[in-house]
Amino acid sequence: GENVEQHPSTLSVQEGDSAVIKCTYSDSASNYFPWYKQELGKRPQLIIDIRSNVGEKKDQRIAVTLNKTAKHFSLHITETQPEDSAVYFCAAARADNLFFGTGTRLTVIP
Amino acid sequence: GAVVSQHPSWVICKSGTSVKIECRSLDFQATTMFWYRQFPKQSLMLMATSNEGSKATYEQGVEKDKFLINHASLTLSTLTVTSAHPEDSSFYICSARGTSGANNEQFFGPGTRLTVL
Repeated sequence: GENVEQHPSTLSVQEGDSAVIKCTYSDSASNYFPWYKQELGKRPQLIIDIRSNVGEKKDQRIAVTLNKTAKHFSLHITETQPEDSAVYFCAAARADNLFFGTGTRLTVIP
Repeated sequence: GAVVSQHPSWVICKSGTSVKIECRSLDFQATTMFWYRQFPKQSLMLMATSNEGSKATYEQGVEKDKFLINHASLTLSTLTVTSAHPEDSSFYICSARGTSGANNEQFFGPGTRLTVL
C-alpha cells in the first residue's frame, strides 16, 4: 500500500517568516496530493491540492510543489500569521483512498 | 456547498455496548464515503471505504465485525462500533466524495469523539 512520510513533526516560526513542510510517498500510482489544516478537535480543512500532471500550485500565501520522479511534495507558507498555527497533514491519493502523513504541528510565534 | 455532518459529535458509553455514528452529505450525493480514526496527536488512519449499496472495503487490521459500516443511500453512511471497549475510545471522522468528475477531493465531517468507560 501507500506509505506517506511527513517532516518535521513540529515546526516553530516567527510571525512573518516562511514555513516549509515536506512529504514523501511510496506508490508511483498516486496522482492527487492534498494538504489539510486541522485545528484541535475539529475537522481537517483542505487548504490546497495538486495533481500529478502539475509541478507547482500557488494560492496567495500557500504553495505546493510536486516532484513525481523523486516522489515528494512540499507545502510552503509565506508571511506566516498566528492563525496559521495548527496541525498540517499531507496526503497522497491512490484510486479512491487518501493516505495521510503523520502531521506537522506548526506554531507561529507572534 | 459540500457540507458533511456527523452525529453525534460526542458520545460516552459503557463497555460492552454498541454505538452508531451517522455521516451525512447535506448538499451533494456521495457515491463513496470513508471512515477514519484519529488518536490524540496522531494522524488520520483510514478504516474503511464504503460505496452506496455495496459492502464496505476494510483496511488491513480493521475488524469488519466490530466496526459495521452501512452505506444505505447516497447521503448517509453509518459506522457502528459493536461491543465497545475502552481501547475503542477515539475520534472518528467520516468523509464523503461526490459523484462529479475526476475530483478526488474528500469533504470531512466534524468528527465524533467516542469515550468508552
